Amino acid sequence: DAGITQSPRHKVTETGTPVTLRCHQTENHRYMYWYRQDPGHGLRLIHYSYGVKDTDKGEVSDGYSVSRSKTEDFLLTLESATSSQTSVYFCAISDRGGNTEAFFGQGTRLTVV
Amino acid sequence: QKEVEQNSGPLSVPEGAIASLNCTYSDRGSQSFFWYRQYSGKSPELIMSIYSNGDKEDGRFTAQLNKASQYVSLLIRDSQPSDSATYLCAVSGGSNYKLTFGKGTLLTVNP
Repeated sequence: DAGITQSPRHKVTETGTPVTLRCHQTENHRYMYWYRQDPGHGLRLIHYSYGVKDTDKGEVSDGYSVSRSKTEDFLLTLESATSSQTSVYFCAISDRGGNTEAFFGQGTRLTVV
Repeated sequence: QKEVEQNSGPLSVPEGAIASLNCTYSDRGSQSFFWYRQYSGKSPELIMSIYSNGDKEDGRFTAQLNKASQYVSLLIRDSQPSDSATYLCAVSGGSNYKLTFGKGTLLTVNP
């Protein structure tokens, strides 16, 4: 398995609170991605990074921010959690971007109450 | 906006049969194509990648790509109950760093 660790694995939080999810990799891959997965919507890209301090938005980025201060860590922050952000969040990594395979972490199940 | 379409299923096949999973995509510039398998409650797992027209075989799995028709498929021969999962098609383009996923097809293999 690719060396990808997401933390926490499960979290319950209250509406309006900030939440940070962490993705840590040991593969030294350049590209890192955050997806959310919801029934009926499949996997949707939130944000991605193509290098340290280089990030860009995906298709569902509103309400989320990211940071990547070192190669191995990619943080996803929900600035003020809402119930619509209840989802399963997956981190993925890739060696050479979209033209090569991406490998996924175990996922974080987030519930906003 | 790229779109990747899959039949949501469920697709039900008997054990030992061939399962055929299909995917169409909208962006003619797409260059890389992937199939992932996702068991319930687990993360997606890469099972096949294909980059050029034609067939690519790996064990019981065969991926087929037809760029002219914007179509990619996955065949699973000698289907086993352990193949029961959701299969996700993913597509990416030239300079685009991003993978776009279909919503997945649920496959059930009946013993």
